[in-house]
Amino acid sequence: KAGVTQTPRYLIKTRGQQVTLSCSPISGHRSVSWYQQTPGQGLQFLFEYFSETQRNKGNFPGRFSGRQFSNSRSEMNVSTLELGDSALYLCASKGSGYEQYFGPGTRLTVT
Amino acid sequence: AQKVTQAQTEISVVEKEDVTLDCVYETRDTTYYLFWYKQPPSGELVFLIRRNSFDEQNEISGRYSWNFQKSTSSFNFTITASQVVDSAVYFCALSEAQTDSWGKLQFGAGTQVVVTP
Repeated sequence: KAGVTQTPRYLIKTRGQQVTLSCSPISGHRSVSWYQQTPGQGLQFLFEYFSETQRNKGNFPGRFSGRQFSNSRSEMNVSTLELGDSALYLCASKGSGYEQYFGPGTRLTVT
Repeated sequence: AQKVTQAQTEISVVEKEDVTLDCVYETRDTTYYLFWYKQPPSGELVFLIRRNSFDEQNEISGRYSWNFQKSTSSFNFTITASQVVDSAVYFCALSEAQTDSWGKLQFGAGTQVVVTP
């Protein structure tokens, strides 16, 4: 089985712009979760989608949003980018088990 | 409040030494899962092991073993006979049953393991 894929792998944006990140889960997995990793805050949960519905949400401002499509692929959007949004964004998929499998991440740099 | 605490920031060992990583967690749920993940320099988090709250039996899988003790809310992880390829950041994580939160992992701050030849 192919693993979790994320595109793009690297991204450079300017403050005030918006960005969309994409995640394709492992085939058959219906749950997709997103995490932000920064040196200061560590790994933080953003949100989880299951069957096209947001099931859980972390403590992030409304500038962070996401969606899931019928094929379980998910996108994450950040509007009005701030310097503090520079981070590694990780996507994870989960099947019927309890463990999550992570993609390689998207490294976002905001200048 | 931090739900998962990894007090060790960095551990340095020489190859073939054993490495034990500490993890203390906090939850009010009676049903939960604990995990260990490895993050090599490439950045991708790699799932290693999981344990549910109802099974305190400690296990060994290859060079990995873990010690789960509910009485002390600890879930420690040991790498036996460490190798250079074990150099990475290791994360302990918790997911809880409340409000269908299985898809939400709460991570500790991570422990950097450095294995030198």
